[in-house]
Amino acid sequence: GAVVSQHPSRVICKSGTSVKIECRSLDFQATTMFWYRQFPKQSLMLMATSNEGSKATYEQGVEKDKFLINHASLTLSTLTVTSAHPEDSSFYICSARSMGGPPTDTQYFGPGTRLTVL
Amino acid sequence: DAKTTQPTSMDCAEGRAANLPCNHSTISGNEYVYWYRQIHSQGPQYIIHGLKNNETNEMASLIITEDRKSSTLILPHATLRDTAVYYCIVRVANTGNQFYFGTGTSLTVIP
Repeated sequence: GAVVSQHPSRVICKSGTSVKIECRSLDFQATTMFWYRQFPKQSLMLMATSNEGSKATYEQGVEKDKFLINHASLTLSTLTVTSAHPEDSSFYICSARSMGGPPTDTQYFGPGTRLTVL
Repeated sequence: DAKTTQPTSMDCAEGRAANLPCNHSTISGNEYVYWYRQIHSQGPQYIIHGLKNNETNEMASLIITEDRKSSTLILPHATLRDTAVYYCIVRVANTGNQFYFGTGTSLTVIP
């Protein structure tokens, strides 16, 4: 099946620093990738939609200048949390949309990145 | 996208079938029903999806009512590794539309 990887799996940083998270589709091309955030005991919250070669579309309430998204290739999207603060500590998950082969048009999720801001 | 309603939690005995219901009474004609599950501290895992016909794969079966207002995910022989949060999502396929997750059902498989 389609595989999506994320790197790093865990990151601890100091308040005020920036953190970059990579999302890769390993065996398929993804023109669209999505970024989610999940706080403890809560469901996944969609943050933004990342389209290859164009600007990301952010959900209401998500600061685009704080959460920078780059989708430079068909297999890689990055999320940079700028000037991270403790309230940004969360589980960040990406997904990639697969168009080829059965099942069509479904999303495959990465394993997630645990961000802890001290 | 249509909203879904799922029970908050369910238990199932190991080896028995787990039947997870989902209500989607406002589903549109072109919206598919997708099921994902999330094991603790992992990314969601795709299980199955369908439009109107029942579907089966190596993981589960999806039963969609004739009026499409509800569906049931069936894990035929639940194991301890099936303990997870199960999400039912409805969305229009082949449009690049986003998935919006509800609260899901926390399934606990009991030895």
